Amino acid sequence: EAQVTQNPRYLITVTGKKLTVTCSQNMNHEYMSWYRQDPGLGLRQIYYSMNVEVTDKGDVPEGYKVSRKEKRNFPLILESPSPNQTSLYFCASSLTGLASSYEQYFGPGTRLTVT
Amino acid sequence: AQTVTQSQPEMSVQEAETVTLSCTYDTSENNYYLFWYKQPPSRQMILVIRQEAYKQQNATENRFSVNFQKAAKSFSLKISDSQLGDTAMYFCAFILIIQGAQKLVFGQGTRLTINP
Repeated sequence: EAQVTQNPRYLITVTGKKLTVTCSQNMNHEYMSWYRQDPGLGLRQIYYSMNVEVTDKGDVPEGYKVSRKEKRNFPLILESPSPNQTSLYFCASSLTGLASSYEQYFGPGTRLTVT
Repeated sequence: AQTVTQSQPEMSVQEAETVTLSCTYDTSENNYYLFWYKQPPSRQMILVIRQEAYKQQNATENRFSVNFQKAAKSFSLKISDSQLGDTAMYFCAFILIIQGAQKLVFGQGTRLTINP
């Protein structure tokens, strides 16, 4: 089954404790990205990766890092989480190129709470 | 600035009625795609319908259709014969393709409730 998986689905942590949210896709997509969803703000892009050689900042990258060592994986790293990073996080992947409709395939989401 | 505005934070209709969710967007780019996503209580983001900006014909998917007015930068979603399972948050979004980068911009969402 074609899918994007994220782990963990739920996480409660304390301020300053480093954490990683994993993301993996099995569709051989070049493009992957991370979003956070907050009430009244919709989804906002944190980072994206066009391929294993290229990653770049989205609209709200502060406090986050990413890594793209393999095509299928795109982990999100919070080196020192703070309460304002409490949010619902989505990983997504998509095709690229002229034949693509750029439909984003979303993971199931990770609910993160930082106390 | 690239923005998407959904002016209806909440809507509620009776089952089997038709409902239209409004969406306006702003971009100076010409190469973009428009989407409506549904987010049920499970939180999963589900694609409802998409529209290529270069196509004049409005997209349809079963009970879902759009009214795409490019000049007005409007992209409304019509749900016909609404069902209880349509209850969800609906997000309008467009994606810009700029030098290979995909910039996806979402609206704030409309919470739709279908009442029995």
